[in-house]
Amino acid sequence: KAGVTQTPRYLIKTRGQQVTLSCSPISGHRSVSWYQQTPGQGLQFLFEYFSETQRNKGNFPGRFSGRQFSNSRSEMNVSTLELGDSALYLCASSQGGASQPQHFGDGTRLSIL
Amino acid sequence: DAKTTQPNSMESNEEEPVHLPCNHSTISGTDYIHWYRQLPSQGPEYVIHGLTSNVNNRMASLAIAEDRKSSTLILHRATLRDAAVYYCSVNAGGTSYGKLTFGQGTILTVHP
Repeated sequence: KAGVTQTPRYLIKTRGQQVTLSCSPISGHRSVSWYQQTPGQGLQFLFEYFSETQRNKGNFPGRFSGRQFSNSRSEMNVSTLELGDSALYLCASSQGGASQPQHFGDGTRLSIL
Repeated sequence: DAKTTQPNSMESNEEEPVHLPCNHSTISGTDYIHWYRQLPSQGPEYVIHGLTSNVNNRMASLAIAEDRKSSTLILHRATLRDAAVYYCSVNAGGTSYGKLTFGQGTILTVHP
């Protein structure tokens, strides 16, 4: 069974640009969650999508947005990039619900110059 | 959201049991406790989860305190491949869809 696939693995951008990250969940999983991981703040929840609807959102500015397609694939967009957005962005898929484990991809490493 | 607290680091010898503690004193009755581990340059890997009862799987055991304010991940025989950062997290029920609240993690070092 294929795991969660995130593309690209590495990305370098400059301040003010925008970026789109992609996540393909495990087949059959309808929930996709996104997390930001930094050395200082650790793993922080960004948002969750289920059947193309955003059901939950973390405490991040509106520059961070996402969407989910009918095949459950998800994208995350960050506009007007800031130096502090440099981080590992992880997506995780599950069947949905607090009792279901989340399965993570290996992330996209975003560096802002 | 429930907050989790873990020791920064722990050490173990190969083939010995390892007990990784986690405190989640503000957990609610419907919150699930999940454990993940992460190797360098990889995403977190699911280890085990539970609600109230102790749980076992092929990777580890999870012991949950009766008041649910703490839990312990047990690796029965540590191997060098178990060296990783271990995260205790809470997945709240209700409207906290898809949200895992992570602690800062415990760096586990396994000595040969």
